[in-house]
Amino acid sequence: SAVISQKPSRDICQRGTSLTIQCQVDSQVTMMFWYRQQPGQSLTLIATANQGSEATYESGFVIDKFPISRPNLTFSTLTVSNMSPEDSSIYLCSVEGGTTASYNEQFFGPGTRLTVL
Amino acid sequence: DAKTTQPPSMDCAEGRAANLPCNHSTISGNEYVYWYRQIHSQGPQYIIHGLKNNETNEMASLIITEDRKSSTLILPHATLRDTAVYYCIVRVSSSGNTPLVFGKGTRLSVIA
Repeated sequence: SAVISQKPSRDICQRGTSLTIQCQVDSQVTMMFWYRQQPGQSLTLIATANQGSEATYESGFVIDKFPISRPNLTFSTLTVSNMSPEDSSIYLCSVEGGTTASYNEQFFGPGTRLTVL
Repeated sequence: DAKTTQPPSMDCAEGRAANLPCNHSTISGNEYVYWYRQIHSQGPQYIIHGLKNNETNEMASLIITEDRKSSTLILPHATLRDTAVYYCIVRVSSSGNTPLVFGKGTRLSVIA
């Protein structure tokens, strides 16, 4: 299985500022995914990040607002730019399992709880 | 839009079997049925998946109807720690490249 850590675990930010969330995986993975979970809601996919290429964004999410970096096979960052209270959510990093046993599993980090005032 | 329909909430007595239904009437022949759950304040956790045959692992059993238009996740002996939101998801591939798309899920409350 893949073990995922995220930093920070939570933060409270002022509107208009930006926050960069880090995602670290304990094994090399090809695909990394970023999700948002608004209060009381289900998870929504923001983008898919492959190492060495531009991230692919889902409808309703744009690179200027959520720039993503993927410098290597174990690490990615998501930045939430020019934040507003509507960006208050939990942001989760996810990867596809890389071993045969977990070939079909998608693993999730613990999430970053963001509150924008 | 999610391709599955689940009841928004269910209750189950502790120690009894929890049977969570899911409708996926538009499922394609190459789509798998996945179940994940999300315990409060944690990331989602994989439970089980299947294509057409019933599946069982240490956590649960998955029963898929013969026409594949619906399925049931069974937790044989529910405990308080099984209280969570359960997501039924259909996905084309059994491998990477197709991220999970979550619907609203079923909020299961296990009651002592």
